[in-house]
Amino acid sequence: QTVVTQEPSLTVSPGGTVTLTCASSTGAVTSGYHACWFQQKPGQAPRSLIYDTSNKHSWTPARFSGSLLGGKAALTLSGVQPEDEADYYCLLYHGGGQVFGGGTKLTVL
Amino acid sequence: QVQLQESGPGLVKSSETLSLTCTVSGYSISSDHHWGWIRQPPGKGLEWIGTVHHSGSTYYNPSLKSRVTISVDTSKNQFSLKLNSVTAADTAVYFCARDHDATIWTLDYWGQGTLVTVSS
Repeated sequence: QTVVTQEPSLTVSPGGTVTLTCASSTGAVTSGYHACWFQQKPGQAPRSLIYDTSNKHSWTPARFSGSLLGGKAALTLSGVQPEDEADYYCLLYHGGGQVFGGGTKLTVL
Repeated sequence: QVQLQESGPGLVKSSETLSLTCTVSGYSISSDHHWGWIRQPPGKGLEWIGTVHHSGSTYYNPSLKSRVTISVDTSKNQFSLKLNSVTAADTAVYFCARDHDATIWTLDYWGQGTLVTVSS
């Protein structure tokens, strides 16, 4: 079964830039994996931020962007705000199913 | 506005069947979207359980496939999850969500989640 790997934790300073990545055990992540990114704060349901690698919802803050980087899906936060402290999960659609990454705990400090 | 709400018992005995229903409002479950179940054990990450389309097509997590059934009731605008032979490892918050259609691949609307505890 496909394993999707994310950095367990990252720390960034307010106003800084950070990139989270999402790798697949099956090889390079391509556009065909339709990579998605979710933000989850304690006690809340996940919120979709990015779909199909790089597309934003109407509610997605402009400082969030998605891309493919070195064979991985990537989520970049530019101009990080204190409220961006949360868990971030990627999701890959693969082989008729879906697999979540283990999540990245982002600390803004 | 699309809204989803999970309902069902919060406590299930070990070896029995967990049953949850997701009621969708503000959107027709008979649209081209798929509808999914996701769970999150306490303090852990998200796990995709499975997805259903109103046509009856289903897709399941291979690790749960032998125990899971997801079905849809278009007359009630609901879809349901059944997980049999549960153990303590199935204790989790269970979320339902609107899944992809032909053009937008993501889980864009989620229910608030419901905690299901498996007791011995």
